[in-house]
Amino acid sequence: GAVVSQHPSRVICKSGTSVKIECRSLDFQATTMFWYRQFPKQSLMLMATSNEGSKATYEQGVEKDKFLINHASLTLSTLTVTSAHPEDSSFYICSARDPGTGNSGANVLTFGAGSRLTVL
Amino acid sequence: AQSVTQLGSHVSVSEGALVLLRCNYSSSVPPYLFWYVQYPNQGLQLLLKYTSAATLVKGINGFEAEFKKSETSFHLTKPSAHMSDAAEYFCAVSGAGNTPLVFGKGTRLSVIA
Repeated sequence: GAVVSQHPSRVICKSGTSVKIECRSLDFQATTMFWYRQFPKQSLMLMATSNEGSKATYEQGVEKDKFLINHASLTLSTLTVTSAHPEDSSFYICSARDPGTGNSGANVLTFGAGSRLTVL
Repeated sequence: AQSVTQLGSHVSVSEGALVLLRCNYSSSVPPYLFWYVQYPNQGLQLLLKYTSAATLVKGINGFEAEFKKSETSFHLTKPSAHMSDAAEYFCAVSGAGNTPLVFGKGTRLSVIA
């Protein structure tokens, strides 16, 4: 099946620095990827929709200047947390539509393994 | 707008017992419904999906769910729990096309030996 690779799986950084998280679709092309954020023992909250070749669409309340998303190719989307602060510490998960969904019309997502960011 | 409500943040069952995780949805359009499982510090794995075909959907690892439009429900069941089923389970809803999924708050399943 479709595989989404996410890197790094864990990252620790100092406050004020920037961190980049990569999300790659393996063996399939993803014109759209979704970035979610998950706080401990909570649900996934959609941050933004990443569109290849165009600007990302951010959800209400998500700072686009803080969470920079670049979808440079059909297999790679990146999330950069700029000037990270401890409150940005979280589990970030990307996803892409499973191409094996067929013609059902449903948006079946395949998820990466997630990236745990800890900001000191 | 779409939303999902998962009743019970934590469910505990004995090994071999029936597993029932509840999910109710709200959607202004015909919904697509999903159940995902998440193991600690990992991403989400699709268990099963409802895409307007059969209302009783069978998934992986012996799980199944039934779409009941009249009750706006999509509860997840498994006849006999295994220790390996202990994880966090998320119900999600979406519309058609390339729309993002909206997740419920999750239910943590514990299996007691």
